Amino acid sequence: EPEVTQTPSHQVTQMGQEVILRCVPISNHLYFYWYRQILGQKVEFLVSFYNNEISEKSEIFDDQFSVERPDGSNFTLKIRSTKLEDSAMYFCASSPDGTHGNTIYFGEGSWLTVV
Amino acid sequence: DAKTTQPPSMDCAEGRAANLPCNHSTISGNEYVYWYRQIHSQGPQYIIHGLKNNETNEMASLIITEDRKSSTLILPHATLRDTAVYYCIVNSGYSTLTFGKGTMLLVSP
Repeated sequence: EPEVTQTPSHQVTQMGQEVILRCVPISNHLYFYWYRQILGQKVEFLVSFYNNEISEKSEIFDDQFSVERPDGSNFTLKIRSTKLEDSAMYFCASSPDGTHGNTIYFGEGSWLTVV
Repeated sequence: DAKTTQPPSMDCAEGRAANLPCNHSTISGNEYVYWYRQIHSQGPQYIIHGLKNNETNEMASLIITEDRKSSTLILPHATLRDTAVYYCIVNSGYSTLTFGKGTMLLVSP
């Protein structure tokens, strides 16, 4: 069964460092997403991406965050200068298209610890 | 998206059916009912979704009331591996998913 894959599974970084989280969405999917979950809290939407541009973003997704699809298979989330409060599980997701009744599929997540 | 209400926790004996309720009284005509689950901080796993009719797949069944104001997810023979947080989400499919706190289902031997 096709799945969304994410790397790394766990990353520890110093505060202020740049981090790039990588994702390979399901092949032929057109919409891509990043969500995050701080320990013990809800899963929160960060950003959606379609046709090489951001289609929607939350207030969490500020100037410290950026997304990119550098090639035909990868989708990345960059955090420019990490803060302690960026420590969370980051989930990549993809969906076939934006039609009514669309289904979003999630990866297993990348656990980011900022120290 | 319409708001949903779920019990915070439920228990179920292994091998029995688990029936997880969800209220979504403000659902609009073009919104689907989606169910996801999250096993111990893994990525949310899609289970099933429906618009008006009841749906069944290899994982579960979804029963939606005629007025669409509530639904029930049924796991017909719960196993220990079904212990997870189950999220009921109302969404048109056009927009992003909004997760609530869900129902923590504990399946016991």
